This record gives sequence, structure tokens and C-alpha cells, in this order.
Amino acid sequence: NAGVTQTPKFRVLKTGQSMTLLCAQDMNHEYMYWYRQDPGMGLRLIHYSVGEGTTAKGEVPDGYNVSRLKKQNFLLGLESAAPSQTSVYFCASSFWGVTQETQYFGPGTRLLVL
Amino acid sequence: AQKVTQAQTEISVVEKEDVTLDCVYETRDTTYYLFWYKQPPSGELVFLIRRNSFDEQNEISGRYSWNFQKSTSSFNFTITASQVVDSAVYFCALKAAGNKLTFGGGTRVLVKP
Repeated sequence: NAGVTQTPKFRVLKTGQSMTLLCAQDMNHEYMYWYRQDPGMGLRLIHYSVGEGTTAKGEVPDGYNVSRLKKQNFLLGLESAAPSQTSVYFCASSFWGVTQETQYFGPGTRLLVL
Repeated sequence: AQKVTQAQTEISVVEKEDVTLDCVYETRDTTYYLFWYKQPPSGELVFLIRRNSFDEQNEISGRYSWNFQKSTSSFNFTITASQVVDSAVYFCALKAAGNKLTFGGGTRVLVKP
């Protein structure tokens, strides 16, 4: 049982390049989330998904797109990377999105945009 | 709107000292959950505890203890007899209505041998 995994662990992009971050979970969770972590700001929600085929915007969605084609996978895309997107990205999942559900996090992806 | 404030950005202690991390939250919802996560130097986020708004009973788990006080909107975390392995960034988080988990800015704890 691997929990939540993320690919890649680290990536360097040039401004304007695109890339996709992959999140996978093997806990049969319904809800999946993408956060970014910046120094001194904690984690902020980018997008989330309440189930296969659905996505919704979080707190800081601009410049990102997501897709949830399979229940176990949640993809985060950057179509045209900008230096402001340099951050550590965390994926999380939970059984349901109700208040009491604990979110479990992946190991993170460190992204540097030059 | 929900907000979580961790006023201490960094705390440095010597091994075996106790350390208390402060967390103050804001929400208008009457039902909410509070969480603490640990982020060690390796970078992953590790879930430590979850408490609901109806249960103000304090909790102890080994060297960790949590003090939840609704009257002051605080959910403080104490590490007793700290160890070097406790060195990490600790995040307090709040989840009320909706799907958003709101994090505080984190407190870095450095335990020196």
C-alpha cells in the first residue's frame, strides 16, 4: 500500500514550457487535491476533485489545469510555466470531502521555473 | 472566511526541553475540524492529529499533547522532552464547511542535541 505518490519528484522548467504532474493514490479515495507550498504561506489549494471525471477550483487556480480521468489519478498541468509557479506541489486525497475527513499527502514535487 | 495563524515562525530548543506551538483559528462555522501535520526535513507531510469542534477534551499521545480551547479559538501543540527527530515544520490546519483545508504558515522547530 503506497498511499499517495507523486511524479516527478523534482523538475526544472524554462518560462513558457509546459508540464504535467501526476498524482496517484491506492486507497480508493473519492476526493483528491492539489496544493502548492510557498515559504511562510503554508499550503494553498489549487484545484480539487470530488470524484472521477469532476474537478473544481480552489484558492489559487490561475495558470493550472487538472484532470481526473481515473479515480486513482489526478493530473496537474501547467500550460505555460511562469517563475511565479516555482513552488513545491503536494497532492492529497481523502475518502470524502466532508469536514471530518483527514487528507493524506504525497511526498511533494519541487518545481523550479527559470 | 477561515483563517489559521501560527505566530511563531521558528522555535529553537535544546534536546529534552518542552516546546509548545501556538495555533489560533478563525471560522464562523459551528462544526469544524482542526488538524496538525508535521513536515520533516525530507519534505513529506505527516498527519498527527484531528479534533472536532465539539470535543474540547485535551489529548496526549506519547510525548505529544494537544490543548483545544474554543473560548480562545486555540489549538496548541506541546512536545514534551523534545528529541532531535522532532525537528520539523509543524502546520496547524482548519477544515469547516466546504472542501478547503486552510493551513497556518507553519512553525519550524529546531531541536539541538
